[in-house]
Amino acid sequence: SAVISQKPSRDICQRGTSLTIQCQVDSQVTMMFWYRQQPGQSLTLIATANQGSEATYESGFVIDKFPISRPNLTFSTLTVSNLSPEDSSIYLCSVGGYEQYFGPGTRLTVT
Amino acid sequence: DQQVKQNSPSLSVQEGRISILNCDYTNSMFDYFLWYKKYPAEGPTFLISISSIKDKNEDGRFTVFLNKSAKHLSLHIVPSQPGDSAVYFCAAYKAAGNKLTFGGGTRVLVKP
Repeated sequence: SAVISQKPSRDICQRGTSLTIQCQVDSQVTMMFWYRQQPGQSLTLIATANQGSEATYESGFVIDKFPISRPNLTFSTLTVSNLSPEDSSIYLCSVGGYEQYFGPGTRLTVT
Repeated sequence: DQQVKQNSPSLSVQEGRISILNCDYTNSMFDYFLWYKKYPAEGPTFLISISSIKDKNEDGRFTVFLNKSAKHLSLHIVPSQPGDSAVYFCAAYKAAGNKLTFGGGTRVLVKP
């Protein structure tokens, strides 16, 4: 299994601003995944990030709102742009194949 | 289109007894099914998986059963322990697309 860290662990942001979340893995991985867990809901895949190529976004998620960077095989960032209260969620990154391993999550509250 | 469903939002069980968590799916093309456990303020932790060609997989206190004809799987935890109190997510994996789809979760409370 991989050890995954995320920064920040939590943040409170004003509406209209942006938050960039970092995900660091202790080993090189081809694919990294970004999920969102809205309050009381399940995990929903936002996008898949491959190193050296554009991220692949799931239906309902767009690059302008959730730009992703993947500069190397151990690191990725997810930015949540133009924040609104509806973006208040836990954001998680993961790695793996069918057995995915998750970071601890970033709890975002938008006021 | 909710492809993976956990119809019981919560479950309460006495310590030492069996916990049974259920999950239904609609897409017969999934390749693997998995269970994750999540504590507050932590990411989900992988528990156990089963290939779509199997009907049972056991790992210690955890057993997953798959009924393909009913598109149903279940997780049995026996004996249940207070440390098992968490939210459990069922997930289904499709190799084409390398994508995990999660159910809504079941909150388990194990009472001492």
